[in-house]
Amino acid sequence: AQSVTQLDSQVPVFEEAPVELRCNYSSSVSVYLFWYVQYPNQGLQLLLKYLSGSTLVKGINGFEAEFNKSQTSFHLRKPSVHISDTAEYFCAVSERTGTASKLTFGTGTRLQVTL
Amino acid sequence: DTGVSQDPRHKITKRGQNVTFRCDPISEHNRLYWYRQTLGQGPEFLTYFQNEAQLEKSRLLSDRFSAERPKGSFSTLEIQRTEQGDSAMYLCASSLASGRMNEQFFGPGTRLTVL
Repeated sequence: AQSVTQLDSQVPVFEEAPVELRCNYSSSVSVYLFWYVQYPNQGLQLLLKYLSGSTLVKGINGFEAEFNKSQTSFHLRKPSVHISDTAEYFCAVSERTGTASKLTFGTGTRLQVTL
Repeated sequence: DTGVSQDPRHKITKRGQNVTFRCDPISEHNRLYWYRQTLGQGPEFLTYFQNEAQLEKSRLLSDRFSAERPKGSFSTLEIQRTEQGDSAMYLCASSLASGRMNEQFFGPGTRLTVL
């Protein structure tokens, strides 16, 4: 079984400032890692994913994340945020092995960008 | 590609009534997933199908819940004798099954309110 911890339920930040949203996971098997964004009254949209290879992955809208196996972390970063980045962000994992591909999500981090 | 669609978008019902939700996945996707998201939480896995076969069900899926995907295309999720605790956003996602983890594309969700 896997679990995902997003320690920050809310992150307020000023526009054009950098931001980091933290994600730690626990799993007895190797996992794939994802970040999704959810805008109000909408479904989830994939920001980026780590499957293998380079531990630094780049996604849409200028976001990037770094997989750290020793710290079991997959923190999301953006060097300069925009008002339109205000949304809920979810970190998720999925087992690499077998046929199961269900996602296990964290509780989410609300990013609030202000002027 | 019209994306994943869900119907209805909102459903208000009285406790004890039955409700049914529909999900239409992306046409070439053979995997279909149902998740439930309660306020302030991340989505939780309920069940998934590969073609018409239901391959996994979460313990969250009580006997009052049933999901079908009769022809391997659209899927329905029925909740019988609804309870107030069933109030949540029900999300559907679809993906291709392959040797590598593929992105799950989410629909906009059906928000259920049980009075």
